[in-house]
Amino acid sequence: GENVEQHPSTLSVQEGDSAVIKCTYSDSASNYFPWYKQELGKRPQLIIDIRSNVGEKKDQRIAVTLNKTAKHFSLHITETQPEDSAVYFCAASQGNRLAFGKGNQVVVIP
Amino acid sequence: EAQVTQNPRYLITVTGKKLTVTCSQNMNHEYMSWYRQDPGLGLRQIYYSMNVEVTDKGDVPEGYKVSRKEKRNFPLILESPSPNQTSLYFCASSLRTMAGYNEQFFGPGTRLTVL
Repeated sequence: GENVEQHPSTLSVQEGDSAVIKCTYSDSASNYFPWYKQELGKRPQLIIDIRSNVGEKKDQRIAVTLNKTAKHFSLHITETQPEDSAVYFCAASQGNRLAFGKGNQVVVIP
Repeated sequence: EAQVTQNPRYLITVTGKKLTVTCSQNMNHEYMSWYRQDPGLGLRQIYYSMNVEVTDKGDVPEGYKVSRKEKRNFPLILESPSPNQTSLYFCASSLRTMAGYNEQFFGPGTRLTVL
């Protein structure tokens, strides 16, 4: 089945700097790649997603890039703010299933 | 309000005592899924359902059962819970279109402890 890996597991950034989280996937047939944010004690919520026919997508301070050849996709957060501190999960769809990575803890230092 | 609900939110039980965690969505979504979340392991899919009466195993189905008799409900059943099923459980639903997946909406989670 699909295997999704995230790096790094923990990322600390100074407020105002950019944060980048990278995910790799194993199944070249995967065609949907969402990113979820989970704040402490809360449910995961979608922040951005991308389909395989698109190379990049932006939404305000958040962007996702996809490299199908290398089978990796990345989340970019610019001008980080304390409220960006959370665990971020990437995922990739394989047929009828969605495989999640193990998550990245992002800490924004004021 | 569009939402996914789960009950109970917290449950402490003993080994072997059958339990059911309910999940309901009011968005008319075809796709529903159960995940468990454990520290360092992320979200692992237990079972999913593409539509009424259509269910399939995810990555960690052992020890769990599900049913999908109605479109809005997708209960998770633990017939004989064991301590290794102590976890945080999330139900999720999404709309499936010809383009494939769409956003999965998660329920609030159920924290289960099996003694």
